[in-house]
Amino acid sequence: GDSVTQMEGPVTLSEEAFLTINCTYTATGYPSLFWYVQYPGEGLQLLLKATKADDKGSNKGFEATYRKETTSFHLEKGSVQVSDSAVYFCALSRSYIPTFGRGTSLIVHP
Amino acid sequence: GAGVSQSPSNKVTEKGKDVELRCDPISGHTALYWYRQSLGQGLEFLIYFQGNSAPDKSGLPSDRFSAERTGGSVSTLTIQRTQQEDSAVYLCASSLAQGRTDTQYFGPGTRLTVL
Repeated sequence: GDSVTQMEGPVTLSEEAFLTINCTYTATGYPSLFWYVQYPGEGLQLLLKATKADDKGSNKGFEATYRKETTSFHLEKGSVQVSDSAVYFCALSRSYIPTFGRGTSLIVHP
Repeated sequence: GAGVSQSPSNKVTEKGKDVELRCDPISGHTALYWYRQSLGQGLEFLIYFQGNSAPDKSGLPSDRFSAERTGGSVSTLTIQRTQQEDSAVYLCASSLAQGRTDTQYFGPGTRLTVL
């Protein structure tokens, strides 16, 4: 079946550091790929998505590129802020019910 | 506009009692999902409603769990005879049902604690 694997957290960084959160997936066909973010005390919200190979999703300084050859969708940001502290979920969808990774907690210190 | 709302935000109950969790989706969203989020376990799919079609109940963990959606809008998740392992955050999401490119819109969740 479909699966999403994310790097385990927490990831702890200083403000303005470079961020990478790895995500790889297993799925047949051509899924869409997503990153959702969950801020403390809130539900998940879409951060970015890509619907076909080589597409790059971007939002709020975050980027991720859909790499079919490596089945990956790594999340990157060039300079993190304290306000980016949250849990990040990678997900894939081939139809109506998506599959989520376990989430990666990011903690950014001033 | 208004987002997805859930109530109550927190629920503490005793083992063996029944609980009802409510979800109000975004107006016009025909798809509605329930998930369970346990510490360190990510999101576990429970049930999916789409319009007037029969719901996909494939994720419900036992027959103690049930859900209904009235009038294509509000949904209620019911857990009967609660157990301590039911303690988790229950998230509701709605969407426009656009298939694999669909963006889900989540509510803030209901934190259930079973003593």
